[in-house]
Amino acid sequence: AQSVTQLDSQVPVFEEAPVELRCNYSSSVSVYLFWYVQYPNQGLQLLLKYLSGSTLVESINGFEAEFNKSQTSFHLRKPSVHISDTAEYFCAVIGNSGYSTLTFGKGTMLLVSP
Amino acid sequence: DTEVTQTPKHLVMGMTNKKSLKCEQHMGHRAMYWYKQKAKKPPELMFVYSYEKLSINESVPSRFSPECPNSSLLNLHLHALQPEDSALYLCASSQDQRGGSYTDTQYFGPGTRLTVL
Repeated sequence: AQSVTQLDSQVPVFEEAPVELRCNYSSSVSVYLFWYVQYPNQGLQLLLKYLSGSTLVESINGFEAEFNKSQTSFHLRKPSVHISDTAEYFCAVIGNSGYSTLTFGKGTMLLVSP
Repeated sequence: DTEVTQTPKHLVMGMTNKKSLKCEQHMGHRAMYWYKQKAKKPPELMFVYSYEKLSINESVPSRFSPECPNSSLLNLHLHALQPEDSALYLCASSQDQRGGSYTDTQYFGPGTRLTVL
């Protein structure tokens, strides 16, 4: 079984400031990792994913995340946030072998203010 | 195209009503999912269909009845719901190339906001 910990339930930040949303996971098998974003009153959108290969993955809107196997982390970063980045961000993990379903963290609300 | 569509967008129903939620994808995905999401919480898995067969039921009450008429469509039939069933219901799909592995990336629809009076 897998578990995901997002320690920060809410992260307030000013516009154009950098931000890091933390995600740690626990698993007895190798995993695939995802970040999903949910804007108010909308469904989940895939932001980025790590399946294999380069440990640094990037999204088209400036976010990036780095898979760190030794620290079992997949933190999400953006060097300069916009008001429009205000949303709930969910980290999710799935084991890449055996029986496994997608496990979500509790989410982090990113609040960007002017 | 990574679009999953859901109808209706909003639904208000009484506890004695029967209604259905619909989900559609045209990405050729063979796994489809229903999730329930309460406010300020992550999605909770309800059902998984793999190749049009129900493969996972996460102990969901029988007042929720899923149906997969074909590889592109997924329905959730609702009957005799309770006010605590009010939530956002999300549909998702993934390729499921290995039939039952569920490790392929899941793409979500916009959800149906359900209110039970």
